[in-house]
Amino acid sequence: SQQGEEDPQALSIQEGENATMNCSYKTSINNLQWYRQNSGRGLVHLILIRSNEREKHSGRLRVTLDTSKKSSSLLITASRAADTASYFCATVRMNRDDKIIFGKGTRLHILP
Amino acid sequence: NAGVTQTPKFQVLKTGQSMTLQCAQDMNHNSMYWYRQDPGMGLRLIYYSASEGTTDKGEVPNGYNVSRLNKREFSLRLESAAPSQTSVYFCASSGRINYGYTFGSGTRLTVV
Repeated sequence: SQQGEEDPQALSIQEGENATMNCSYKTSINNLQWYRQNSGRGLVHLILIRSNEREKHSGRLRVTLDTSKKSSSLLITASRAADTASYFCATVRMNRDDKIIFGKGTRLHILP
Repeated sequence: NAGVTQTPKFQVLKTGQSMTLQCAQDMNHNSMYWYRQDPGMGLRLIYYSASEGTTDKGEVPNGYNVSRLNKREFSLRLESAAPSQTSVYFCASSGRINYGYTFGSGTRLTVV
């Protein structure tokens, strides 16, 4: 029952460039969250955007949400080697706040 | 350091053996979760506990049982391990249900 689907599945960019990942989902949501997972580690919560918000910033991260298109994007500006990781979007469905549903993730590789 | 602690980090079981994965959080969170992560499948929810004293099935509960021992601890038990349960298991907690999870570092389980 995959709710969020990230695109692309994998992305390689040069250090210093911006990285953009997209997430599409199927049903109305309460909020959408982005997580990062470094190899062999647990997921780390990056940012949460509510359904009534359109854009949110946190440091080098910028998240947008378009509920009409049921999509979100995560932009990482001025990428660094330490940004190499997998990034997951996760959704909390409207009126179904019992659990978060994760997508399969985007693998981001920052090239030196 | 405050967070979610999982034990053990690695485990090899023979088919049919049983074991319990332990999870403890020290953030006074109400909600706790168990996920499994398999290549190409993202994270799938096994069981969750919205609050102390309650547990509910997630997406893939078959073959597992859980116990919410107290507010801090949420254990996952495999009664008769099968090779299909080879996976990385993550415990997570949340102060408010579905408002950002804190993950443990995972248990890598191999069933032979």
